[in-house]
This record gives sequence, C-alpha cells and structure tokens, in this order.
Amino acid sequence: QKEVEQNSGPLSVPEGAIASLNCTYSDRGSQSFFWYRQYSGKSPELIMSIYSNGDKEDGRFTAQLNKASQYVSLLIRDSQPSDSATYLCAVSDYKLSFGAGTTVTVRA
Amino acid sequence: EAQVTQNPRYLITVTGKKLTVTCSQNMNHEYMSWYRQDPGLGLRQIYYSMNVEVTDKGDVPEGYKVSRKEKRNFPLILESPSPNQTSLYFCASLSRGGYEQYFGPGTRLTVT
Repeated sequence: QKEVEQNSGPLSVPEGAIASLNCTYSDRGSQSFFWYRQYSGKSPELIMSIYSNGDKEDGRFTAQLNKASQYVSLLIRDSQPSDSATYLCAVSDYKLSFGAGTTVTVRA
Repeated sequence: EAQVTQNPRYLITVTGKKLTVTCSQNMNHEYMSWYRQDPGLGLRQIYYSMNVEVTDKGDVPEGYKVSRKEKRNFPLILESPSPNQTSLYFCASLSRGGYEQYFGPGTRLTVT
C-alpha cells in the first residue's frame, strides 16, 4: 500500500506570510505529484502538479520535488485569508493516493 | 463545460438497503476513481477504473462494487450498506498522466 504522509496541522500563519507544507511518500516508483486545495464541505481542487525534480512556480504557489528524498512540498507566498483550507498531497504511478491533508488557517 | 456529476448529493438510508451512487464525466477521460473521505483520514481510494470494463480495487474496497460499462459512467454500488460506510464520497475523472483532473461535488451518505 502506497503511503503518503503530510506534516500534521493545523498550520496557522499571519496574512502576508509564507505557508510551508510538506509531504513524503513511500513508493519510489511514483511519477506524478499533485497538490489540492479543499474548502470545508467542497470537493478537492487541483492547484499544482509537478513531475520532475526541482521547483515549479504558479502565481503565489511553488511546488518543490525531490525524488531522491521522496519529498514534495508546497509554499504559499503572501498568504491570504482565502488560502484558508485543507491542502492535500497526492502521488501517482498509475493510481492516485492521497495524504491525510494539512489544514491551513491564515490570520488576518 | 467540463464536469463530473454525482447523484444523489445527499442520502440517508438504513442498514442493508442496496443503493447506487452515480458518477458521470463529459471529458472522455479513461481513468475514473471513487474515494471516501472521513475526518482525519483524508481521501481513501475505494475502486478505480483505467478504461471501459477495466476496474481494480483501491485501498478500501470492502463492501463496495463498481462497474464501467461505458466510458462516461462509473457507478458505485453498496449492496448491503452498514453504518461504517457513512462518509463523504467523491468521484474523480483524470486524463492520462493526470494533467486534467476533476472531482465531482461529493455525496454525503448516512447509513443508520
């Protein structure tokens, strides 16, 4: 069984700060990595995907992947109250497995 | 508009009464999947399908069945629901490689 572990939350950050989310995975064969945002009672929304080692930036979001360390992270810069949500890490070789999620609260 | 639809959105039922939750996608995706979400446990995969007539168990398949007779539909069947299947269920549709991913709006199931 594939294991995906995320840093335990909840994570509380002040508005304008950087939120840092971490995820490790057990299956070295995983090829694709995803971050989702989920608001309470809503379905997950894909916000970042990363497939190769290094950084990938999209607006205020940066995903970092290190396959050797089996580690993927998400940075949220200039955090806004609207970023308050649960963030899910997922990894895939041919099926998608999720971590338990980290809840982020941005304090105004 | 690209979307995944699920029905019903809310369902309260009794132990042992068979039910089906429908899932349909309009993006011609090959890969579809069912998840359940419980507090503190994240999304756990129940079943997935790589294509028509190709299904496989996920991490928590016990008590569930699925079928994939056509590409757009992937129903989840609970032959004899039990209270431990009370949960929030999501259907997902993915393009090959995961470049496009869509989740349905969720079905909140309560089994009494």
